[in-house]
Amino acid sequence: GQQVMQIPQYQHVQEGEDFTTYCNSSTTLSNIQWYKQRPGGHPVFLIQLVKSGEVKKQKRLTFQFGEAKKNSSLHITATQTTDVGTYFCAQANAGGTSYGKLTFGQGTILTVHP
Amino acid sequence: DGGITQSPKYLFRKEGQNVTLSCEQNLNHDAMYWYRQDPGQGLRLIYYSQIVNDFQKGDIAEGYSVSREKKESFPLTVTSAQKNPTAFYLCASSPGTGGNTEAFFGQGTRLTVV
Repeated sequence: GQQVMQIPQYQHVQEGEDFTTYCNSSTTLSNIQWYKQRPGGHPVFLIQLVKSGEVKKQKRLTFQFGEAKKNSSLHITATQTTDVGTYFCAQANAGGTSYGKLTFGQGTILTVHP
Repeated sequence: DGGITQSPKYLFRKEGQNVTLSCEQNLNHDAMYWYRQDPGQGLRLIYYSQIVNDFQKGDIAEGYSVSREKKESFPLTVTSAQKNPTAFYLCASSPGTGGNTEAFFGQGTRLTVV
């Protein structure tokens, strides 16, 4: 089945610095989703991208889907301590024998130092 | 309140015992999922179900079993065949088939086997 690889595994930044996490696949993805999990919490949906080259913004967060639909990125501008947590990408199989399967990348753990 | 409920939050069991984790949703979602989370390994898919009375194995189904007799409920049994059952278990649901929609997560059950 399709798998997504996410890098980096860890990222430590000073408050105010930017942060980016990347999600890569060897096969074309039908869609990509991004989730955030606060320490001790559960994952919460942030956004879904479906179109080639799509870019979406949520305040300081910018999400991109590659032209070939094989990679995606989440960029946070001027991090704040409230951005701390683990960021996951996920992809859902839209067809084939694994129809409906929702798999996650390994996640990037973000630490923000005040 | 609508949502997805997992119980209990913490669970302790002796090695060799089967244990069932509860997951209930009142969101009228068709799809439900079970994930296991270990430190540094992200979310790994155990089982998923797109409709009542049907479910599919995920990437790490060995040692686990599920049922989907009702739309609202998707219990997970961790059997004695699971070699390393201690982990954080997350249940999720999503409204559409194909997984092409936002997944909502429960608060999780932290299982410790001693």
